[in-house]
Amino acid sequence: NAGVTQTPKFQVLKTGQSMTLQCAQDMNHNSMYWYRQDPGMGLRLIYYSASEGTTDKGEVPNGYNVSRLNKREFSLRLESAAPSQTSVYFCASSDIDNAGANVLTFGAGSRLTVL
Amino acid sequence: AQKITQTQPGMFVQEKEAVTLDCTYDTSDPSYGLFWYKQPSSGEMIFLIYQGSYDQQNATEGRYSLNFQKARKSANLVISASQLGDSAMYFCAMRTGTASKLTFGTGTRLQVTL
Repeated sequence: NAGVTQTPKFQVLKTGQSMTLQCAQDMNHNSMYWYRQDPGMGLRLIYYSASEGTTDKGEVPNGYNVSRLNKREFSLRLESAAPSQTSVYFCASSDIDNAGANVLTFGAGSRLTVL
Repeated sequence: AQKITQTQPGMFVQEKEAVTLDCTYDTSDPSYGLFWYKQPSSGEMIFLIYQGSYDQQNATEGRYSLNFQKARKSANLVISASQLGDSAMYFCAMRTGTASKLTFGTGTRLQVTL
């Protein structure tokens, strides 16, 4: 059971380059998320998809686009990377369980450096 | 808007002792959920414990318990009998209403010493 798989694990970009972070989950979860983690700032939500076919902006969406390709896959695209986008990116998925919780399961993270 | 506050950037605890990590939250929604996650140095995010706003009893999961004080809007994590493997960053998070997304605090780094 792989859970949430995100690729690549590491990437170095030059300012202005574009790239896509891929995420796939095999838990049949409805909701998927992209967070970024920066020192001293915790995890901040970039975009999320509450269900297949929908996407919504989170706290820090500027400079990013997302695609919910199907129920399993949710990609994050940087069209023109900037040094401020240097961060660790986490994909997560979730569904409401019997206790009413909405526990997020996270991928291993992708470390992106923009020079 | 919802907000999670963790005021302790770092904490030290001796092995086998108990430790409390503080978390306060702010929301006007009567329905919400509170979560704690652990992030060891390897970087993965590990779910520890959940408390719903309507739950009458404090949540417990093994050595972890959540001290939920609704009137004070606090959801502190208590780790009993600390182990060296508990050294990690700990994040408090909240979900409000029917939304699925979580808002995270800035985290507390816990160091367990011999």
